Amino acid sequence: SAVISQKPSRDICQRGTSLTIQCQVDSQVTMMFWYRQQPGQSLTLIATANQGSEATYESGFVIDKFPISRPNLTFSTLTVSNMSPEDSSIYLCSVVKQGYEQYFGPGTRLTVT
Amino acid sequence: DAKTTQPPSMDCAEGRAANLPCNHSTISGNEYVYWYRQIHSQGPQYIIHGLKNNETNEMASLIITEDRKSSTLILPHATLRDTAVYYCIVRVAWRGQNFVFGPGTRLSVLP
Repeated sequence: SAVISQKPSRDICQRGTSLTIQCQVDSQVTMMFWYRQQPGQSLTLIATANQGSEATYESGFVIDKFPISRPNLTFSTLTVSNMSPEDSSIYLCSVVKQGYEQYFGPGTRLTVT
Repeated sequence: DAKTTQPPSMDCAEGRAANLPCNHSTISGNEYVYWYRQIHSQGPQYIIHGLKNNETNEMASLIITEDRKSSTLILPHATLRDTAVYYCIVRVAWRGQNFVFGPGTRLSVLP
């Protein structure tokens, strides 16, 4: 298995500001992903965090809005830039270590006012 | 990845077995059935997965029909802590991509 921690666990931010979310895994993993879960909705993939190169973004998500870093095999950050109330969501880090299972972090609950 | 269909919600009495169905009529021969659950305000938790044989672990049992077009997740003795959204996902076993989550089934375990 993999133990994933995220910081912060929650935050309340002003419109127009940016927030960086950190994801730390207790061991090296093959893949890291970032998801968004809007209130009452299922999970939506934002991007795949690639070590040492630019993240791969899903349709509807762009690097300028959600810059991602992954400097090594156990750590990644997601920044939510120029926030608006529509960005209020839970942001989840997810990893695949090897094999068939995907593990999820506890999530970061973001409220934009 | 094959599409899945799940009922939006179900109720189950505490202590009874919870049987959560999933239809995946377009499943391919190399696609696995995975189940995850998400307890309120937490990240999704892996439960179980299988290809064609029934599977059991400490959390649940997975029953896959012979034609593999549907499956059932069984929680043998549901507790209040099993109240969660349960996601059935069908996909090829690890090909370097993520899981696609549908709306899932909201299971309410009632006292």
